[in-house]
Amino acid sequence: DQQVKQNSPSLSVQEGRISILNCDYTNSMFDYFLWYKKYPAEGPTFLISISSIKDKNEDGRFTVFLNKSAKHLSLHIVPSQPGDSAVYFCAASARTDSWGKLQFGAGTQVVVTP
Amino acid sequence: DTGVSQDPRHKITKRGQNVTFRCDPISEHNRLYWYRQTLGQGPEFLTYFQNEAQLEKSRLLSDRFSAERPKGSFSTLEIQRTEQGDSAMYLCASSYGTGGTPGRLFFGEGSRLTVL
Repeated sequence: DQQVKQNSPSLSVQEGRISILNCDYTNSMFDYFLWYKKYPAEGPTFLISISSIKDKNEDGRFTVFLNKSAKHLSLHIVPSQPGDSAVYFCAASARTDSWGKLQFGAGTQVVVTP
Repeated sequence: DTGVSQDPRHKITKRGQNVTFRCDPISEHNRLYWYRQTLGQGPEFLTYFQNEAQLEKSRLLSDRFSAERPKGSFSTLEIQRTEQGDSAMYLCASSYGTGGTPGRLFFGEGSRLTVL
């Protein structure tokens, strides 16, 4: 069962504009959410995270929003840069599990065009 | 380079053969994870270790799969009698046991397995 879903497999955005990536989850036991970024031929790298007790976390150009009632989170990248072109994975973790036992979405391929 | 390293990066084998992958985590990390990623999907949890103890195994990990972490340092993942469905990228990750950002894993570049 897919507990974390990213319904947009791809996103194309112009350089300088906002990229918005969406993620939905079904398990109400999740209490930590993360975004990972992956370039070809590399492993995923951590980007930003948010605890379930918060609704927003910001780090530079990256902001993650969490809507617990809707079981939805989003990642905003402003402004988008060509180096942001990568696959972005949404992931979730539950305190009742090992924190590192993550449930990942299928990913969204972001292409930032000049 | 003090990141997570995996070896080999790519392995091509024939169905029925055994393969072994090695992972060297970041030295100060005591937790080590194995994930599997197939085309178009996100990584899927397979198993994890805290030091040398294997604390959890996913039901995805059939009895043809075995993982070890002797002495709590490097880890190996062995697949016996490989099947074409085992073709995937096998990712290793490590993290601190306590402290740090929950869920923040440091991934290696992966070992890609192709079973012919």
